Amino acid sequence: DAGVIQSPRHEVTEMGQEVTLRCKPISGHNSLFWYRQTMMRGLELLIYFNNNVPIDDSGMPEDRFSAKMPNASFSTLKIQPSEPRDSAVYFCASSYGVGDGTGAEAFFGQGTRLTVV
Amino acid sequence: AQSVTQPDIHITVSEGASLELRCNYSYGATPYLFWYVQSPGQGLQLLLKYFSGDTLVQGIKGFEAEFKRSQSSFNLRKPSVHWSDAAEYFCAVGQANFGNEKLTFGTGTRLTIIP
Repeated sequence: DAGVIQSPRHEVTEMGQEVTLRCKPISGHNSLFWYRQTMMRGLELLIYFNNNVPIDDSGMPEDRFSAKMPNASFSTLKIQPSEPRDSAVYFCASSYGVGDGTGAEAFFGQGTRLTVV
Repeated sequence: AQSVTQPDIHITVSEGASLELRCNYSYGATPYLFWYVQSPGQGLQLLLKYFSGDTLVQGIKGFEAEFKRSQSSFNLRKPSVHWSDAAEYFCAVGQANFGNEKLTFGTGTRLTIIP
């Protein structure tokens, strides 16, 4: 398997524009996670899905952020409108779990570096 | 709620010297513990994990970690570091909740290697 695939790797956009980040998880995995990494706040879990259903979105900073997982092989994280403080590296990760904790091992993509100017 | 503490933000070690990165966790049940490494510009890569059994676990790149329940610790060690080990290291605890599983990460320790 090619691993978790994220696109684009880099994105530069102007404040107020819509930004869509994409993720293809590892085939067969049943959980998908979106993280944001900044110098100030470290690695933050934004939202995670289990079997394509959003389980916990308490980390989503505000209504400008939304995430979808229309099927088991694709997820998007959208920011509309974008702001300079959204500049960060966004990681997608996936895992396979059976509910006992051992499946928490997550496999990460290379990340999308977002710059909002 | 579970939490992970990495008390050292930045550590500098000479090449060839030994290394120990500290990690303390707070979790009510049996913890599933992980160490990840992040090289500059890269995603996180799993170094090793502890689920049960032998409390000393071996990982990739010559790393090992020891689970000590009495100290709620899972410290990462390497007997002799290489310049390529310079990276950021994250400790994490896995949580299972109603069939859903996720990781809680520490804030990371940045490792610098000097010649």
